[in-house]
Amino acid sequence: DTEVTQTPKHLVMGMTNKKSLKCEQHMGHRAMYWYKQKAKKPPELMFVYSYEKLSINESVPSRFSPECPNSSLLNLHLHALQPEDSALYLCASSQVHGGRSTEAFFGQGTRLTVV
Amino acid sequence: GQSLEQPSEVTAVEGAIVQINCTYQTSGFYGLSWYQQHDGGAPTFLSYNALDGLEETGRFSSFLSRSDSYGYLLLQELQMKDSASYFCAVSPAHGGSQGNLIFGKGTKLSVKP
Repeated sequence: DTEVTQTPKHLVMGMTNKKSLKCEQHMGHRAMYWYKQKAKKPPELMFVYSYEKLSINESVPSRFSPECPNSSLLNLHLHALQPEDSALYLCASSQVHGGRSTEAFFGQGTRLTVV
Repeated sequence: GQSLEQPSEVTAVEGAIVQINCTYQTSGFYGLSWYQQHDGGAPTFLSYNALDGLEETGRFSSFLSRSDSYGYLLLQELQMKDSASYFCAVSPAHGGSQGNLIFGKGTKLSVKP
């Protein structure tokens, strides 16, 4: 199984809603990531979890809250988002060797629209 | 910090060879990797160079020269399905960013018949 599964594929939410994005992998990878990608732009790193601990938070607003319940699951909790947060949210995972990662596997993403 | 520069667009014809360059400024990194992303899809891994030199994977090859702060992706026998965006990425070795990927801005490749 070399898949990273993200749900939902599409999400429309109002600015007062609370929703969660989910990500799952069963490749035994110990690093998991959330990226945000706007149209015609590269993915931008939001959060990194390494061995289920948050290791990097790239100055992301607190309306985005990550959670890593176990080594296979990664969630992104959303609350009070703004229309400019509309984007493709990508989850990825990778194996970690000696503190470094090489190949990352990406999920198909959740296309989020904030109205 | 890290920055990676790629051409924004490249056009080539079916059957041809195309080279997508990536120049970088970084304080240190473990390796240079390449990802392909079709419109509406997710990035997929193509190749990784930890050491200087050429890595070949089928029609795709990738090259790294740390002394020149330069790498490239070479696509041979281009097919229409190769039309996509191609990103180079580094895994930084310093600054608390170990293990993540920093992406270049991407090169949109258009393959014409």
